[in-house]
Amino acid sequence: AAGVIQSPRHLIKEKRETATLKCYPIPRHDTVYWYQQGPGQDPQFLISFYEKMQSDKGSIPDRFSAQQFSDYHSELNMSSLELGDSALYFCASSLYSRASGRSSYNEQFFGPGTRLTVL
Amino acid sequence: AQKVTQAQTEISVVEKEDVTLDCVYETRDTTYYLFWYKQPPSGELVFLIRRNSFDEQNEISGRYSWNFQKSTSSFNFTITASQVVDSAVYFCALSEASLAGNMLTFGGGTRLMVKP
Repeated sequence: AAGVIQSPRHLIKEKRETATLKCYPIPRHDTVYWYQQGPGQDPQFLISFYEKMQSDKGSIPDRFSAQQFSDYHSELNMSSLELGDSALYFCASSLYSRASGRSSYNEQFFGPGTRLTVL
Repeated sequence: AQKVTQAQTEISVVEKEDVTLDCVYETRDTTYYLFWYKQPPSGELVFLIRRNSFDEQNEISGRYSWNFQKSTSSFNFTITASQVVDSAVYFCALSEASLAGNMLTFGGGTRLMVKP
């Protein structure tokens, strides 16, 4: 079965550079989530999108922006990178449940993550 | 605000021992969902189980079992006859139904080391 695809898998950047992470959800999934996991930390929610609209926002820095496109893939844009941005970035997707009115009934399927290293 | 606490940061057992990973949560919602994920050394997050707040039945899947108790706000995970391949970080997570985006709040994780 198709899974969530993230690219690139590994990325090395210098301080103050920009980075773009891409996420391709499972086919027919309409909701995308982004999480950041620092070394030895638990994943922290950044932002989510449903049908190309932002549905929730977590602890995402102002230097970061994200969007979901018409084909449901999503991109996380990160500017003025700092050393503290070094982390594993996960994308997850789920399918909106019309019966329950929420996506939460359906589990979020996580991609393999993008490991970002800022030097 | 929702919160998930995994008090055990690290557990070490010998193969074939049983081990229970604790998870305590806080939420003001009456409808919510609890999850367990496994993160092996390779880094990916592997979904193990989802439980909604209205279903307090315990569940068993092979060597894995889960004990959900709303009275104590706990959702504990037991591995029976542990194996070396069970070595990983295990995360408990909570999703509140009232939130538009349904994001997951994770606990700090428990690192399980199973020694041969």
